[in-house]
Amino acid sequence: DVKVTQSSRYLVKRTGEKVFLECVQDMDHENMFWYRQDPGLGLRLIYFSYDVKMKEKGDIPEGYSVSREKKERFSLILESASTNQTSMYLCASSLGYDEQYFGPGTRLTVT
Amino acid sequence: GDSVTQMEGPVTLSEEAFLTINCTYTATGYPSLFWYVQYPGEGLQLLLKATKADDKGSNKGFEATYRKETTSFHLEKGSVQVSDSAVYFCALRYNQGGKLIFGQGTELSVKP
Repeated sequence: DVKVTQSSRYLVKRTGEKVFLECVQDMDHENMFWYRQDPGLGLRLIYFSYDVKMKEKGDIPEGYSVSREKKERFSLILESASTNQTSMYLCASSLGYDEQYFGPGTRLTVT
Repeated sequence: GDSVTQMEGPVTLSEEAFLTINCTYTATGYPSLFWYVQYPGEGLQLLLKATKADDKGSNKGFEATYRKETTSFHLEKGSVQVSDSAVYFCALRYNQGGKLIFGQGTELSVKP
């Protein structure tokens, strides 16, 4: 079974803090994605990566950056967390154009 | 731009009732269409997909048919169970890019 894990299920941070969300997949997938999920808005793509050290902006990249130093790991970084970044963050991975496999999500609260 | 619109929830049904969740899309090309399901406390799982017009995707008793003429991909199940309670997301994807565009999600609650 494909497994996508995320470092935390719940996270509480203060405004202005630097926040790291980690995602690891164990199936040698080249593609990895970060989404945020908000009620009434569905999932929106923040960033994605097709290979190590490669990244592309999604639909809502403002306020976020990413890092992919190893194939299995894709990190989402909030340089200076703000309250409007309180959300559920979902990581996904895929092999080519195949199905995306999702992690369980990290619910981030910024106070 | 491309988009996906789902019927608003929450949808509440009794066990063994018939389910329809409407999904329509706007797209400039010919995308693949998907239904994902999110059970409480979990990530999303692929439920079914269709890659071209008139294709029918099916899984676990759920079905959806890719209707190009009405730009729709409605999800149906003949007899829902309590265990089907979840949030359902319709999505489209162009094969060239691999990116998914999601609808807003529809919460389904099935009562015994």
